[in-house]
Amino acid sequence: DAGVTQSPTHLIKTRGQHVTLRCSPISGHKSVSWYQQVLGQGPQFIFQYYEKEERGRGNFPDRFSARQFPNYSSELNVNALLLGDSALYLCASSLAGDGYTFGSGTRLTVV
Amino acid sequence: GQQLNQSPQSMFIQEGEDVSMNCTSSSIFNTWLWYKQDPGEGPVLLIALYKAGELTSNGRLTAQFGITRKDSFLNISASIPSDVGIYFCAGQIRIKAAGNKLTFGGGTRVLVKP
Repeated sequence: DAGVTQSPTHLIKTRGQHVTLRCSPISGHKSVSWYQQVLGQGPQFIFQYYEKEERGRGNFPDRFSARQFPNYSSELNVNALLLGDSALYLCASSLAGDGYTFGSGTRLTVV
Repeated sequence: GQQLNQSPQSMFIQEGEDVSMNCTSSSIFNTWLWYKQDPGEGPVLLIALYKAGELTSNGRLTAQFGITRKDSFLNISASIPSDVGIYFCAGQIRIKAAGNKLTFGGGTRVLVKP
């Protein structure tokens, strides 16, 4: 069975640009969460979606947005990129908001 | 910012040694989780704890959910080279129909003694 799939694996963007990161959850999982992991730190919660509805939002600016599609895949969008947005972005899926399985992440570098 | 204090920040292990790390919080959680993260990968769940006082083992790993619900520890017995990596604790407040976010500690980096 495929695990949590994230794309792209690596990405380089310029300050001020926009980025879209994608996540496909484990088949049958209805909840997707996004985390930002800055080098040397633990992951920080950004969003949780369950059944296509936002169920939680972390302390991130409005430049960060996300959505979940009818097939339960998800996108994380970040506008007006800053150097400080450089991080590993992790997606985690679960059946119902519990027992999270993480993907390998998207490494975003903003230059 | 981080709400969980994880210690030590780093440690060196020698094959065969037992190692221990812990996590404390100013807030109560009703679930404690321990993850391991290898370079270039996402965190992988090692042990999940759901009740205060619970002691759970997974092979050479043992973790406990503190009685106060504000702390947890992880022990690794008879360490082997593949135990090298970064270990994260995470607390969760599981509330049905609401967000069930994980709050992570800063990690314990386990390295091999030169």
